[in-house]
Amino acid sequence: LAKTTQPISMDSYEGQEVNITCSHNNIATNDYITWYQQFPSQGPRFIIQGYKTKVTNEVASLFIPADRKSSTLSLPRVSLSDTAVYYCLVGGTDSWGKLQFGAGTQVVVTP
Amino acid sequence: EPEVTQTPSHQVTQMGQEVILRCVPISNHLYFYWYRQILGQKVEFLVSFYNNEISEKSEIFDDQFSVERPDGSNFTLKIRSTKLEDSAMYFCASSEGQGFYGYTFGSGTRLTVV
Repeated sequence: LAKTTQPISMDSYEGQEVNITCSHNNIATNDYITWYQQFPSQGPRFIIQGYKTKVTNEVASLFIPADRKSSTLSLPRVSLSDTAVYYCLVGGTDSWGKLQFGAGTQVVVTP
Repeated sequence: EPEVTQTPSHQVTQMGQEVILRCVPISNHLYFYWYRQILGQKVEFLVSFYNNEISEKSEIFDDQFSVERPDGSNFTLKIRSTKLEDSAMYFCASSEGQGFYGYTFGSGTRLTVV
């Protein structure tokens, strides 16, 4: 499993865009990059997954450069309810059955 | 949106007692998982279950733990002879197929061992 590094915490104001970058220098050819969100006392929730370039859904965008050694989760126009821990996970078929969560990034959105 | 349901939401038990944590995965999902999160720490993988058998387990999942799918809807985690350090949030998850994106987690059971 590729090791990931992401900031411990980030602060933002409502309405701003939040970008969280995750480093994964040892990513393997078959690995995908996946982001989960976790609110206090709740289970993680899948946000987005990508392999290369850019992926966008109704919640977020995921930018992956050509070398795939990092990725950036972009949350547009955050609200107070986006305050959560965000996890970057990297893995492929050898790790499908066992997600390995790191410490994640605590995002705090204030008015 | 389909949900993974866990019961109870909170369980308090005395050290040495056995507990059973229950989960109802999403009905068309085939893969089931248990994770735990000790307060303030990372979410840790415990076990994955497919086709009525364990497919992966972590070093945490020792003989103290067992899983079972007793019927077509429930998925249980049994912890025998609980210890203080078993106090944690236990999350059940399910997925239709293997792959990160397909995981749906429940809201968890907070287990407190006293």
